[in-house]
Amino acid sequence: DAKTTQPTSMDCAEGRAANLPCNHSTISGNEYVYWYRQIHSQGPQYIIHGLKNNETNEMASLIITEDRKSSTLILPHATLRDTAVYYCIVRVATGGGNKLTFGTGTQLKVEL
Amino acid sequence: DTAVSQTPKYLVTQMGNDKSIKCEQNLGHDTMYWYKQDSKKFLKIMFSYNNKELIINETVPNRFSPKSPDKAHLNLHINSLELGDSAVYFCASSQGWSSGNTIYFGEGSWLTVV
Repeated sequence: DAKTTQPTSMDCAEGRAANLPCNHSTISGNEYVYWYRQIHSQGPQYIIHGLKNNETNEMASLIITEDRKSSTLILPHATLRDTAVYYCIVRVATGGGNKLTFGTGTQLKVEL
Repeated sequence: DTAVSQTPKYLVTQMGNDKSIKCEQNLGHDTMYWYKQDSKKFLKIMFSYNNKELIINETVPNRFSPKSPDKAHLNLHINSLELGDSAVYFCASSQGWSSGNTIYFGEGSWLTVV
């Protein structure tokens, strides 16, 4: 699976949009971009994933650049409960064993 | 209802002891996993089982023995516990074993070996 690069930490004011970037310049055509988060003392939580097109669900939006070398996770209205470590993970779409390779992620701190 | 549940949540034990962590998922998934998160917060896969069969074994010491009595359960037994085994162990599950299936995690079991 391709390697990803994320900022170590970010701050966001409550109620504002949190934009978390991820670089995956070596991504292959058959690899998805997945986002998970881990709130303190809890298990990792699936957020969203995408291949080429932008995706949106009840939690977040995922914007993938046209060349697929980077992406941005957007939490439209961040709350204090969104404070967590956010992991960007690139995985092959088909074949192989199903496993997630976690990096160090981005520590997002949402403040009043 | 908790989708992936683990017990115990906290476990403190002495070196040399044998302990087990139990995991159950009520999602009807075929595949289950154990991940380990060490003191530096790195999260790594240990095992994966699909329909009770071992699929992934990431070079884990043989003191760690997963057991899957049925596809809804994957227990982790650890023999001769060492200080370095202190970590948070996460159970997880997915619909299938091929990549592309979203993986859902439990809340973790905090193991401290003293």
